[in-house]
Order: sequence, then structure tokens, then C-alpha cells
Amino acid sequence: GQQLNQSPQSMFIQEGEDVSMNCTSSSIFNTWLWYKQEPGEGPVLLIALYKAGELTSNGRLTAQFGITRKDSFLNISASIPSDVGIYFCAGPNTGTASKLTFGTGTRLQVTL
Amino acid sequence: DGGITQSPKYLFRKEGQNVTLSCEQNLNHDAMYWYRQDPGQGLRLIYYSQIVNDFQKGDIAEGYSVSREKKESFPLTVTSAQKNPTAFYLCASSIASAGQRSYEQYFGPGTRLTVT
Repeated sequence: GQQLNQSPQSMFIQEGEDVSMNCTSSSIFNTWLWYKQEPGEGPVLLIALYKAGELTSNGRLTAQFGITRKDSFLNISASIPSDVGIYFCAGPNTGTASKLTFGTGTRLQVTL
Repeated sequence: DGGITQSPKYLFRKEGQNVTLSCEQNLNHDAMYWYRQDPGQGLRLIYYSQIVNDFQKGDIAEGYSVSREKKESFPLTVTSAQKNPTAFYLCASSIASAGQRSYEQYFGPGTRLTVT
């Protein structure tokens, strides 16, 4: 089945630093979604990408749909303590409109 | 406020008992989903429903059952047949159409089930 690999697995950064993470697949996706999950809570949709090459921002977050359609990137600028959480990428399973494949997640820790 | 509610937030049960987790949405979404999340892991799909009175098994449906009698509600029953029921359970919903927006799933706050 489809798999989404995220890297890095975890990151420890200082407040104010910029963050980059990525999500890669062995198969092509036509949509990429980025979610953030805080401890003990449900994931929250941050950004949705629909076209190859698309660059979309949501505040300090910027995500890009890779040209090859097999990857996507999420950047966070000037990180703050509330950015702590796990960031998941997700994309639709081929042949089944409703089902999503989720990545393994990138855990972000921000120190003061 | 539109959203998805799951209750209760924490649930404790004895082994061998069935337990039902509630999920309600007022987003007027057609599709609803149940996921299971284990510590340090991603989300695995248990069941999903694209329309009232219809639902399909996900990747890990064994030991679980669902019903979809109303558009707003998609309860999940964890049966005694589920070997490792202790987990964090997440409900989600989305619009159901042919467009790409149908991929955007919105999640509830989750229910943490502990079975001893």
C-alpha cells in the first residue's frame, strides 16, 4: 500500500528558529494535507495543497506541493513555544476518494 | 460553533466489556471516519461512512463495529473481541463530493480508552 515517510522524525529547536520538514512517497499524490496534533488532542488541518508546485501559507507556516507529486514540504518561520506538537502529512489513497494515508509524523519541540 | 464532538474524553473499562464511543458533528458533512492512534504512532483507519446507513471497513476493523443511522452521528463500539483496545480514538468528518475538498478531514478532540 501507499506509505508516506516524514523527516526528520523529531526536532529540538530554539524559539525564533525556522523549521523545515518534508514528506515523501513512492507514489504520486494529487493532494497533500498538513496537520498539527498537540498532546491529547485531535489533529488540526493547517494547509491543503492541490496542484504540483503550489506554495500556500497560513500565518508563519508555508507548505509546498513538490513538482514530482511525490513529496511535500512544510516550513515554520520564527518558531514559538506553541508550535510544539506532531506534524503529520496526509494524502488520498488511490482509488478510494475518502481514505487518507497519514505520514509517520515529525515531533517538534521548542525550547526557550 | 460548527465542529465535531467526542465524548467522553477519558473512558475506562474492564476487559471483556463492550464500550461505545460517541461522535457527533454539526458541520453538515456527509462522510465520517474513525481512527485509532497508539503512542508514538500515526493514525490507522478503523471504519468510514460516506452516507447515512452505509459504512465500510478500514484497515483495522476487526473487533470494532459502527452504525450510521443519522448524518450527524457515527458511534463506534469497541467489542470484547478487540485484542488490544487501549488506545486514543479519533473521529473525523469531511464533505463527500468528487472534488479535492472532500479529502480535507476535520477531527474531533479524541477519546482515550483504557481497558484493564
